[in-house]
Amino acid sequence: GAVVSQHPSRVICKSGTSVKIECRSLDFQATTMFWYRQFPKQSLMLMATSNEGSKATYEQGVEKDKFLINHASLTLSTLTVTSAHPEDSSFYICSARDPVAGAYEQYFGPGTRLTVT
Amino acid sequence: AQTVTQSQPEMSVQEAETVTLSCTYDTSESDYYLFWYKQPPSRQMILVIRQEAYKQQNATENRFSVNFQKAAKSFSLKISDSQLGDAAMYFCAYRAGTYKYIFGTGTRLKVLA
Repeated sequence: GAVVSQHPSRVICKSGTSVKIECRSLDFQATTMFWYRQFPKQSLMLMATSNEGSKATYEQGVEKDKFLINHASLTLSTLTVTSAHPEDSSFYICSARDPVAGAYEQYFGPGTRLTVT
Repeated sequence: AQTVTQSQPEMSVQEAETVTLSCTYDTSESDYYLFWYKQPPSRQMILVIRQEAYKQQNATENRFSVNFQKAAKSFSLKISDSQLGDAAMYFCAYRAGTYKYIFGTGTRLKVLA
């Protein structure tokens, strides 16, 4: 099956700094990628939808100036958490849609654990 | 708005036995997809099974099968011959035309040896 990677797998940063998380589709071109956040023992909550070459669409309640998403190519989307605070500590997961594979095919990355101290 | 509800926060099953995880959803769409995902301790989301709403036949993947009741908006997962490796969080998910997934709150499955 198709593979989606995320980098880094874990990151610790100090409060007030920014951190970038990469999501790559390794063997297919992803026209659309999605970013989720998962707090401990909770479900995945969609943060935003990222389409290649256009602005991301954010879900209600998600601060677009805090969570910057860039989908600059068909294989790479990045999520930058700006001015991170301890409450931003969470598990961030991306998924990528392969339009060739079928109407329902999305593939999830392994996730990135962000800890803000 | 679409919603997905998993009413069982935790379930236990004896190894080799059968367990059913429940999921209900709400939507006004007629064309959609339903999924069960497994999330082991590694946190990697693994697709277990999917069901297209337009198909009346219930999906089956080896030991995993679903009971899809479209009118009742119910989508349960049956795991037969449970194995220790089945222990994980299981999420029910809904997807319609926008390709966005809506996940339920999850059911933690424990498999007892």
